[in-house]
Amino acid sequence: NAGVTQTPKFRILKIGQSMTLQCTQDMNHNYMYWYRQDPGMGLKLIYYSVGAGITDKGEVPNGYNVSRSTTEDFPLRLELAAPSQTSVYFCAVSGPSNQPQHFGDGTRLSIL
Amino acid sequence: GENVEQHPSTLSVQEGDSAVIKCTYSDSASNYFPWYKQELGKRPQLIIDIRSNVGEKKDQRIAVTLNKTAKHFSLHITETQPEDSAVYFCAARAFYDYKLSFGAGTTVTVRA
Repeated sequence: NAGVTQTPKFRILKIGQSMTLQCTQDMNHNYMYWYRQDPGMGLKLIYYSVGAGITDKGEVPNGYNVSRSTTEDFPLRLELAAPSQTSVYFCAVSGPSNQPQHFGDGTRLSIL
Repeated sequence: GENVEQHPSTLSVQEGDSAVIKCTYSDSASNYFPWYKQELGKRPQLIIDIRSNVGEKKDQRIAVTLNKTAKHFSLHITETQPEDSAVYFCAARAFYDYKLSFGAGTTVTVRA
């Protein structure tokens, strides 16, 4: 039982490049979230989804896009990478009502 | 929206002593309060959570208390050990919301 799987674990991008961060869950939960965590800082919500076909913006959505075509997958897309997007990206999932969020291991992204 | 404040931002304790972290929240509709521990380079992991119908919850050396009237909740770690050194995040979620609001984090250092 893998839980929440994020790929890749590490990536270096050049300014202006694009990439997709993958998040897959086998917990059959409807709610999925993308956070970024800058060095020494807290968690900032980028986007979230309450089910397949439904997504909504968090507090820092600019420069990112998401899609949710299945319950299992919630990819995060960076279209034009900028140095300010250097961060650790965490995907999280939760069940209904007052259930905890479970985090993946993160993707460490550097943009140079 | 919900606003969660967390204090202190750093905490240094002698091994064997207790550590207390306090959080306040703004939205009286919040009814779920999880605590996460994040070790260096790792993902946040849920260590304990409490719902608004409970005033206190314990799990071995960890306890959480909730004061709904004052809108604050606290994490208590007793008999601290070196492996308790980490960043701790509190969070809150309102009954009408799908998102967690996180505190800024507390860096706990346990001195041997």
